[in-house]
Amino acid sequence: QVTLRESGPALVKATETLTLTCTFSGFSLTTSGMCVSWIRQPPGKALEWLARIDWDDDKYYSLSLKTRLNISKDTSKNQVVLMMTDMDPADTAMYYCVRFSVSPTKAFDHWGQGTLITVSS
Amino acid sequence: QSVLTQPPSVSAAPGQKVTISCSGSSSNIGNNYVSWYQQLPGTAPQLIIFDDDKRPSGIPDRFSGSKSGTSATLGITGLQTGDEAKYYCGTWDTRLGGLNWVFGGGTSLTVL
Repeated sequence: QVTLRESGPALVKATETLTLTCTFSGFSLTTSGMCVSWIRQPPGKALEWLARIDWDDDKYYSLSLKTRLNISKDTSKNQVVLMMTDMDPADTAMYYCVRFSVSPTKAFDHWGQGTLITVSS
Repeated sequence: QSVLTQPPSVSAAPGQKVTISCSGSSSNIGNNYVSWYQQLPGTAPQLIIFDDDKRPSGIPDRFSGSKSGTSATLGITGLQTGDEAKYYCGTWDTRLGGLNWVFGGGTSLTVL
């Protein structure tokens, strides 16, 4: 059974750096084809993809946010960490940790429940 | 402004069929697989269609996907009140030489 769980501070201040941790089980990020992404959703708005890290440590970032993001993994702990710098109230959103498998689905096939991050000014 | 264009809302009566469109370009839908996600109120999204037209195990065959050129379509037949949700399409976009996942703006389905 695949599960993902996000953790992080519920509240951050503007200009601070957000650090989110995804702890997962039921698969390994050392397995070829396995990837983990972060996706966010501001209240009442659409989904926005942020970043992805692959089993071979390849990394991909949203073009609009790449200067602020850093994604990393600790395979021994089954964790993926996302850091986002210079937070702004516009970054207030639900942040989801999501598995992306290159095979068979080539899609986001398992989602965490999400963690709500509020940015205060 | 989303890269993929979806209608904001659709509605139909229980038992009827509805389709949701997702329009893009050659840099995304035209050359990459499309997936669809259902987000029930207050919950995380769930994958319902991948590789344009395939259903994960556990997704009923009332849900279908198709693609033609730079547009994709989600179909739902035999509508139930439990299908009321927001639906998102998504795919990779390869403009500017990179890999950037893009979602549509989402479509709210109302089962009248």
